[in-house]
Amino acid sequence: DTGVSQNPRHKITKRGQNVTFRCDPISEHNRLYWYRQTLGQGPEFLTYFQNEAQLEKSRLLSDRFSAERPKGSFSTLEIQRTEQGDSAMYLCASSLIGGIGYEQYFGPGTRLTVT
Amino acid sequence: AQSVTQLGSHVSVSEGALVLLRCNYSSSVPPYLFWYVQYPNQGLQLLLKYTTGATLVKGINGFEAEFKKSETSFHLTKPSAHMSDAAEYFCAVSVDNYGQNFVFGPGTRLSVLP
Repeated sequence: DTGVSQNPRHKITKRGQNVTFRCDPISEHNRLYWYRQTLGQGPEFLTYFQNEAQLEKSRLLSDRFSAERPKGSFSTLEIQRTEQGDSAMYLCASSLIGGIGYEQYFGPGTRLTVT
Repeated sequence: AQSVTQLGSHVSVSEGALVLLRCNYSSSVPPYLFWYVQYPNQGLQLLLKYTTGATLVKGINGFEAEFKKSETSFHLTKPSAHMSDAAEYFCAVSVDNYGQNFVFGPGTRLSVLP
């Protein structure tokens, strides 16, 4: 399967703990995006990478959030000192830059529950 | 700033009836527009996209959408609903000149009644 994969699919953690999610994009895609989706809402942009460079971060991405894509392949999203408001689905997407209107391909998401 | 509104958070249709999901956008750059579908506990799947050229765009599963610049709309239609169409549908507009970065609408949940 050459689609976008995310691990874990589900994560339950206690408030104050740190969590890390992983995203493996489609192999030839050079852009990678992170979104957060809460119940009944559309995905909200968090950040994106072009190769290993993090080019944009949303104001939603507080200091407790950090994302990396060290070799321009997989990416990790870490949330430190989790809060109940962090409970959401975290979606990863990848795309191929070049040309116009290249769609983003989404992974299945990681559902985070903070208790 | 670019934004998307989707009229109707929940739409119900009978099986075999016309599906119409509404999307209006605002954009300060030429818009590139997308419709995605999301089934429960899954990621988003692209249904169709408008970049340039023909304003009536056909997608997968019998869906199509028409870009109307004068109305700033990109409504999604399907002539005959199937039970398998029940899902959440999201409209998205690009926020850059290359159609790369997106802003999503809040979504419309489609229910199909037997």
